Amino acid sequence: ETGVTQTPRHLVMGMTNKKSLKCEQHLGHNAMYWYKQSAKKPLELMFVYNFKEQTENNSVPSRFSPECPNSSHLFLHLHTLQPEDSALYLCASSQDWATSGTEQYFGPGTRLTVT
Amino acid sequence: GQNIDQPTEMTATEGAIVQINCTYQTSGFNGLFWYQQHAGEAPTFLSYNVLDGLEEKGRFSSFLSRSKGYSYLLLKELQMKDSASYLCAAMDSNYQLIWGAGTKLIIKP
Repeated sequence: ETGVTQTPRHLVMGMTNKKSLKCEQHLGHNAMYWYKQSAKKPLELMFVYNFKEQTENNSVPSRFSPECPNSSHLFLHLHTLQPEDSALYLCASSQDWATSGTEQYFGPGTRLTVT
Repeated sequence: GQNIDQPTEMTATEGAIVQINCTYQTSGFNGLFWYQQHAGEAPTFLSYNVLDGLEEKGRFSSFLSRSKGYSYLLLKELQMKDSASYLCAAMDSNYQLIWGAGTKLIIKP
């Protein structure tokens, strides 16, 4: 595998379910990100991890819980979600965090539908 | 507040040239990025500008004017595979990316 991978690619869950999204980067990067992408809206940054430590939490509801066990893996644990949480969830990584000019590499995303 | 504006949708003809504009307002500025996103796929990096001027990379060029808070992405010799959304993102003083909603580019034969 190369680049940034995400599983599952598609997920349908009820509001009472608990599920997890997984992201893995094979680039040796130090920073990882979770974004939410809704139709016709800008990407919303949810969480940032740098060297496994959470550095940003942009007022994300507690029903989203991130976990970063090492610099290569990132999880997003989901529970008691709402229909408005339906969106594409993108994972990204970059060589460093808080560095000008550092590009981010994105995974293909998980298309989440909450019923 | 911080804001990025770019057109929602543009249409162009195969073989032609198209310019996608982006204006930004951020707290501080550490550069501007353009990404391409095909439907159902990951965004991929196209360009980064931090100094005023034009950066050329093959058929794609990106321009920045810091004083005007303005950038554009220029695509030449359009091909059908260029049909995608183009995302503009400005990096603020905290090194956070402020994203636009994207411009959907439709290429017609």
